[in-house]
Amino acid sequence: DVKVTQSSRYLVKRTGEKVFLECVQDMDHENMFWYRQDPGLGLRLIYFSYDVKMKEKGDIPEGYSVSREKKERFSLILESASTNQTSMYLCASLVGTEAFFGQGTRLTVV
Amino acid sequence: SQQGEEDPQALSIQEGENATMNCSYKTSINNLQWYRQNSGRGLVHLILIRSNEREKHSGRLRVTLDTSKKSSSLLITASRAADTASYFCATDRSYQKVTFGIGTKLQVIP
Repeated sequence: DVKVTQSSRYLVKRTGEKVFLECVQDMDHENMFWYRQDPGLGLRLIYFSYDVKMKEKGDIPEGYSVSREKKERFSLILESASTNQTSMYLCASLVGTEAFFGQGTRLTVV
Repeated sequence: SQQGEEDPQALSIQEGENATMNCSYKTSINNLQWYRQNSGRGLVHLILIRSNEREKHSGRLRVTLDTSKKSSSLLITASRAADTASYFCATDRSYQKVTFGIGTKLQVIP
């Protein structure tokens, strides 16, 4: 069975903190994605990666960075968390055209 | 920017009725997919239709694609309470970059 695991289900951080959201997949997929989901806005693509050490900006990369040092792990980094980054974050990996999602991390920035 | 846009944004039906959701997109696509999301969870892939296909079936799901109108529809027949979820269409453009719409929230009343 395909598995995408996000390190935390719920996270509360303070404004200005550096935040790491981790995502691991066990399927040897090359493509991995980070989305954020907000009410009324659907899923918006933050960053994606199609290979180790490769990254591409999505539609809303501002305030975020990513790291892909190993094929199975794709990290989303909030350098200095702000309250407008409070959201549900979803990681996905892709085989062919089918995306497999993690369970999501609900991040609250206070 | 969002590629897909679902319509309606919310739908409430009685168990046993059919549910139809529509998706419109802006640019040419390789494939179109539909995903389901239970409340507060990750997304699960339902069905994929390729740009050269017009209709596809999977169990109680029927998907149509009209590339001339840049639109797709998802029909769920004989709905059940367990079908209550949000449904998203997703399109892939270059580099397998998958983008999602805002979603349709379906409620099936027992």
